[in-house]
Amino acid sequence: EAQVTQNPRYLITVTGKKLTVTCSQNMNHEYMSWYRQDPGLGLRQIYYSMNVEVTDKGDVPEGYKVSRKEKRNFPLILESPSPNQTSLYFCASSYRGPEDSPLHFGNGTRLTVT
Amino acid sequence: ILNVEQSPQSLHVQEGDSTNFTCSFPSSNFYALHWYRWETAKSPEALFVMTLNGDEKKKGRISATLNTKEGYSYLYIKGSQPEDSATYLCAFYYNTDKLIFGTGTRLQVFP
Repeated sequence: EAQVTQNPRYLITVTGKKLTVTCSQNMNHEYMSWYRQDPGLGLRQIYYSMNVEVTDKGDVPEGYKVSRKEKRNFPLILESPSPNQTSLYFCASSYRGPEDSPLHFGNGTRLTVT
Repeated sequence: ILNVEQSPQSLHVQEGDSTNFTCSFPSSNFYALHWYRWETAKSPEALFVMTLNGDEKKKGRISATLNTKEGYSYLYIKGSQPEDSATYLCAFYYNTDKLIFGTGTRLQVFP
């Protein structure tokens, strides 16, 4: 089944403890992206990747890192999480990019940082 | 900062009613306009990607139109059903590889 898989679905952690949220797609998509969803705000882009080894900042990249060593994987790394990173996170991929291809979203990761 | 506006914020309709909502976006540097449907406790699902001025797309009872010169898109739902209850998101793609999302229109359809 074609899908974007994120793990974990739920995560509670403490300030400063490094964590990684994994994202994997099995559709051979070139474009991958991370978003966060906060109440009253639209989905905001954190980082995106147009292809392997090509990543770029979105609108809210501070406090996050990503890597794209393989086409299928695009992990989101929080080196030192803080409470303002408590949010719902989505990974998404598209065949070529949003200029003409829809995004396929993962199931989301709800992160709480205490 | 570019802004994508959606209106109304929420909408309550009766089963069988037809409804529509608006997405407004900057008319310059347009590349594409996306529509997504987002049900509670699920992840957003793509409805349409529209790229040309005057584009009209249809998927079952849902259709969308696009006016890039004036910077708006309409989403129409004909004969709303309770299963259409969801938040409908639009997103504007411009020339810096970024997709900017609106805050959505939350639709509730009552039987």
